Amino acid sequence: DGGITQSPKYLFRKEGQNVTLSCEQNLNHDAMYWYRQDPGQGLRLIYYSQIVNDFQKGDIAEGYSVSREKKESFPLTVTSAQKNPTAFYLCASSTELSSNQPQHFGDGTRLSIL
Amino acid sequence: AQSVTQPDIHITVSEGASLELRCNYSYGATPYLFWYVQSPGQGLQLLLKYFSGDTLVQGIKGFEAEFKRSQSSFNLRKPSVHWSDAAEYFCAVGRANDYKLSFGAGTTVTVRA
Repeated sequence: DGGITQSPKYLFRKEGQNVTLSCEQNLNHDAMYWYRQDPGQGLRLIYYSQIVNDFQKGDIAEGYSVSREKKESFPLTVTSAQKNPTAFYLCASSTELSSNQPQHFGDGTRLSIL
Repeated sequence: AQSVTQPDIHITVSEGASLELRCNYSYGATPYLFWYVQSPGQGLQLLLKYFSGDTLVQGIKGFEAEFKRSQSSFNLRKPSVHWSDAAEYFCAVGRANDYKLSFGAGTTVTVRA
């Protein structure tokens, strides 16, 4: 079945450490997104990518970085510059970068600070 | 800028009773409207969407939603709730010529026996 796979499901970060969250999709979608979810705040857009080798900052990109070297993959790195990284991170994809395209979501990665 | 408001943070409903979740948006033109559901520790699943046409849309799992332009609302309903409907529900809004979806803060639904 086609879908989006996020790994790991749980991740712990030490102070000063960078960690990378994996997102892989086999839906043949061009557009991919990373969201951060905090209780009571809905989803906030971190980065998005319209196509391979292209990505743009979303609303809360500070302290995060991404790459899009392959169509299927859109990993997110949470850097040590992100001072409050504890959250639930969701990866999504859509056929194209347009707000009229439904987004398909992975099952998320929960990141916590040790 | 567009914004999405879900006025109810938490709703408790009895199994078999009806459910209505409210969603209001601020945007001048007709937006693209979505409802998603999220079970604990899971991603979001699309329930239904509205772009144009018939203002009453049917979705999966027996849900429907009605677009009311005069009230800038897109409320989600289900006539008879099942225990498996306990989850968090998100309304999302997009606008033409844009890439971004704005999500509401979510409504948590608890179903009691």
